[in-house]
Amino acid sequence: GQQVMQIPQYQHVQEGEDFTTYCNSSTTLSNIQWYKQRPGGHPVFLIQLVKSGEVKKQKRLTFQFGEAKKNSSLHITATQTTDVGTYFCAGQETSGSRLTFGEGTQLTVNP
Amino acid sequence: EAQVTQNPRYLITVTGKKLTVTCSQNMNHEYMSWYRQDPGLGLRQIYYSMNVEVTDKGDVPEGYKVSRKEKRNFPLILESPSPNQTSLYFCASSLSGGSQPQHFGDGTRLSIL
Repeated sequence: GQQVMQIPQYQHVQEGEDFTTYCNSSTTLSNIQWYKQRPGGHPVFLIQLVKSGEVKKQKRLTFQFGEAKKNSSLHITATQTTDVGTYFCAGQETSGSRLTFGEGTQLTVNP
Repeated sequence: EAQVTQNPRYLITVTGKKLTVTCSQNMNHEYMSWYRQDPGLGLRQIYYSMNVEVTDKGDVPEGYKVSRKEKRNFPLILESPSPNQTSLYFCASSLSGGSQPQHFGDGTRLSIL
């Protein structure tokens, strides 16, 4: 079945440093979504990418969808303590309706 | 307020004692699903439902049952819980499957002793 892999599993940064998490799928995706889970909370939808090569920005967050629609990345510029949490990517196969989540990247930010 | 409501939020129980975790959404969503979250393993889908009376297995369905008799409710049933089902469980819903953003409940932390 479809696999979605995410790296790194953990990332510790100093406040103000940049952060990137990468997501790779074993199959071509129709769309990829990104979620953020604060400590003790539930995953919250951030964004969805649909088109090959698509790039979207939300303030300091930049999301990219690969040309082959099999990988994606989330980049945070100048991290803040409010960015702490686990970031998940989730991909939907072109042939199915299900959404498969990656293992997540847990980000900690030292002030 | 649009939301997904899970109950209970926390439960400690013993091996073999049947339990049900309820999930209800008020957004008229067709798609609902259950996930379990374990350290290092991310969110793994247990079961999902595309609509009323339509359910299907996810990645880790063993030991679980679900039903979808009404659009708003999607209970998760553990008929004979075992310690390896100790986990954090999330219910989620969306308008129509994986092409739409998922709305998650607050989670249910289950401990099976």
